[in-house]
Parts: sequence; C-alpha cells; structure tokens
Amino acid sequence: NAGVTQTPKFRVLKTGQSMTLLCAQDMNHEYMYWYRQDPGMGLRLIHYSVGEGTTAKGEVPDGYNVSRLKKQNFLLGLESAAPSQTSVYFCASSYSDGNYNEQFFGPGTRLTVL
Amino acid sequence: GEDVEQSLFLSVREGDSSVINCTYTDSSSTYLYWYKQEPGAGLQLLTYIFSNMDMKQDQRLTVLLNKKDKHLSLRIADTQTGDSAIYFCAVTLDTGRRALTFGSGTRLQVQP
Repeated sequence: NAGVTQTPKFRVLKTGQSMTLLCAQDMNHEYMYWYRQDPGMGLRLIHYSVGEGTTAKGEVPDGYNVSRLKKQNFLLGLESAAPSQTSVYFCASSYSDGNYNEQFFGPGTRLTVL
Repeated sequence: GEDVEQSLFLSVREGDSSVINCTYTDSSSTYLYWYKQEPGAGLQLLTYIFSNMDMKQDQRLTVLLNKKDKHLSLRIADTQTGDSAIYFCAVTLDTGRRALTFGSGTRLQVQP
C-alpha cells in the first residue's frame, strides 16, 4: 500500500503559468481533500470531494479548480498562478465510517510562484 | 477570533512533560483529533478522543477534553527529542461537509 501519493514534490512557476497537482490514493477512500499550509496558519481547506465525480468548495477555493474523474485520483489545478499561491499543498483522503474522520495525508507539494 | 486556536511554539527539556493546548469556538465533532507533522512530511494522526470522554490515555500521550470551556489538550510524558514536530488539533465545525478544521499548529522543540 502506497497510501496517499502526490506529484510533483516541488515546483517553481512564473506568475500566470498553469499547472496541475496530482493526488492518488490506493485505500479505496470515498473522501478526498486538498489543503494548503502556510506559516502560522495551519491547514486551510481548498476543495474536497465526497465521491467520484463530485467536488465542493472549501474555505479558500479562489484561483483553484479540481476534478475527481476516478475514485482514486483528485487533481488540483491552478489556471493562472499568482505569488499568493506559493505554499505547501497537501492532499488527504478518508473513508466513510459514521462520524469518525481520520484523514490520511500525502507528503506534500512545495510550490513557489515567482 | 480563529475557529481553532493553538499557541505557536513550545520548548521543553528532554524527559519533561509537554502540554499542548487547543481551544475552539464551536464544535459538532463527535471526535477531536491530534495530528503530528514531522519536518518535510505530511500530517499523521497521533490520537483522538470521543466527544463524550473527558480523558484518554495512550502510552505516553494523555488527551484532556473540557467541552464546557471548549478546550482540548495533549500531554506528552517523558518527552524525547524524537517528539520534536508540529502538533495540530483538528475538529469538525461543519458536519455538512465532513471536513476537519485545523489549528495553526504548535511547534514543539525538545532540548537535549
């Protein structure tokens, strides 16, 4: 079991460029999440998905889009990168078990936008 | 104020106990969680407590929950240098979207 994997691990973009971050999980989890982590601000939810083909906005969705075409994959897109999107991005997944919501995290993608 | 608050930094000596505190404004959580993040890594669940419990002990870890004061704490006994990490508390503020709200994280530094 690889758990939750993220690609790429690092990326540097110029303002206005686009990119897609890929998250994959092999645990057959229904729920998947994208967070960003900034110093002193903890993790903030960008978008999430409660199942294949569904997506929903989190706390800070502006400037990002997501897709969940396959249950095991959750893609995060930046159409026109801005310096404010410099951050570490974490993907997580969880299974459906009543109210228990243990989330399993990937190792993160460090993105710098110049 | 923030929905989930933590102090940013705690420094202890090896062998001492560490207490990391978390307060939250409201919670519909059935469970409240503590996650640990080691340098350069993602978060891992450390422990959790069911909302109808006051205390949970798990080896060197003790979680205390005061629902009246909306206060959660994590105590690490006999703290080791390997415990140096960032610790996040997490609660569910909105059951409608089944997402966790994380505190800002407390960086624990253990001095040898």
